[in-house]
Amino acid sequence: DTEVTQTPKHLVMGMTNKKSLKCEQHMGHRAMYWYKQKAKKPPELMFVYSYEKLSINESVPSRFSPECPNSSLLNLHLHALQPEDSALYLCASSQDRLGNTEAFFGQGTRLTVV
Amino acid sequence: DAKTTQPTSMDCAEGRAANLPCNHSTISGNEYVYWYRQIHSQGPQYIIHGLKNNETNEMASLIITEDRKSSTLILPHATLRDTAVYYCIVRVGGGNEKLTFGTGTRLTIIP
Repeated sequence: DTEVTQTPKHLVMGMTNKKSLKCEQHMGHRAMYWYKQKAKKPPELMFVYSYEKLSINESVPSRFSPECPNSSLLNLHLHALQPEDSALYLCASSQDRLGNTEAFFGQGTRLTVV
Repeated sequence: DAKTTQPTSMDCAEGRAANLPCNHSTISGNEYVYWYRQIHSQGPQYIIHGLKNNETNEMASLIITEDRKSSTLILPHATLRDTAVYYCIVRVGGGNEKLTFGTGTRLTIIP
């Protein structure tokens, strides 16, 4: 099983809503990632978790709050988002944080903030 | 991680080999070259990676020059399903979790 599953696939939320994106993998990977991708742009790294601890935060606004409840799950909690936060949010995982391992990506959650 | 330079776009005829170049002239000795692709509206897909030797798998071949300053991804028999954005990424081995995407090459396979 080389699958990273993201739910929901699509999400529309208002600027005052609180919502969460979920990512799950059962490959025993110990590094998990959140990326944001705007239309016609490359994915941009947001957060990295390594062994369930936050290891990289790319200066992401606090309205995005990641959580790694266990080694298989990664959440991204959303609160008070702006319309410019509308994007494809991608989750990925890799075996560990070393450079010689490939990352597997989910299909993303397409988020629209209204 | 070293910066990479790729052509913005390329076309290739269906059934022919697609050769995608990548320049990484500032690559360090412990940095790997990775290739990913992203088909429209899907998550990026890992293709292949290498350090200094040429690599081949069921999807593609990776040719790295001897000085490691550039590489070429080869899709031996391109099909319409290979139309995608291809990203060449240089990533430090050993303790670096980052996978940073550049602008990539938009490859269009022409019937």
